[in-house]
Amino acid sequence: AQKVTQAQTEISVVEKEDVTLDCVYETRDTTYYLFWYKQPPSGELVFLIRRNSFDEQNEISGRYSWNFQKSTSSFNFTITASQVVDSAVYFCALSEDGGSNYKLTFGKGTLLTVNP
Amino acid sequence: NAGVTQTPKFRVLKTGQSMTLLCAQDMNHEYMYWYRQDPGMGLRLIHYSVGEGTTAKGEVPDGYNVSRLKKQNFLLGLESAAPSQTSVYFCASRPHPGQGSAKNIQYFGAGTRLSVL
Repeated sequence: AQKVTQAQTEISVVEKEDVTLDCVYETRDTTYYLFWYKQPPSGELVFLIRRNSFDEQNEISGRYSWNFQKSTSSFNFTITASQVVDSAVYFCALSEDGGSNYKLTFGKGTLLTVNP
Repeated sequence: NAGVTQTPKFRVLKTGQSMTLLCAQDMNHEYMYWYRQDPGMGLRLIHYSVGEGTTAKGEVPDGYNVSRLKKQNFLLGLESAAPSQTSVYFCASRPHPGQGSAKNIQYFGAGTRLSVL
């Protein structure tokens, strides 16, 4: 069975600090997809990134970067020079390709608070 | 471009009442999902559908029923609401793997906040 663990329940930083959100996953499939979603205080879920299991290249998008390591089953998310607008709950999620329903298994989320 | 629309946004029910949550998507997606979000629990899958006329149980299906009579709509029903069903409900849709460039991404509605007293 697939599982996603976000060990950090809450993180609080001061603006301009860098912060890394951890995500560890478990799956028996060789083909799978990993995601990060952001849930701001307004409540909607915003897609940030998707990674497939065959692509271990790290990715950078502006102040956001993602580090995917199959050897440690981790898909960590770093925000550089954090801003107050980054305050949100961040979810890591996993989708297996072999089940044919492509459902998402979510971690419990990490609440990030960026203080001015 | 509406995407995924959930109706209603808020609802308060008394124990034992019934209601239906509506999810509508205008992206011609094959797959649709209902999740619930509870504090400290992340999102958990209730039911899902892989196409018009088909539904299946997810991780926490008890107390809920669903229907997918039209491709664009996915209804979630509570026949006899219980306080344990107080939650935020999210609907999502995604295309078939062979359909479109944004495959494998689930798009979410804005959520329905339900309180059962």
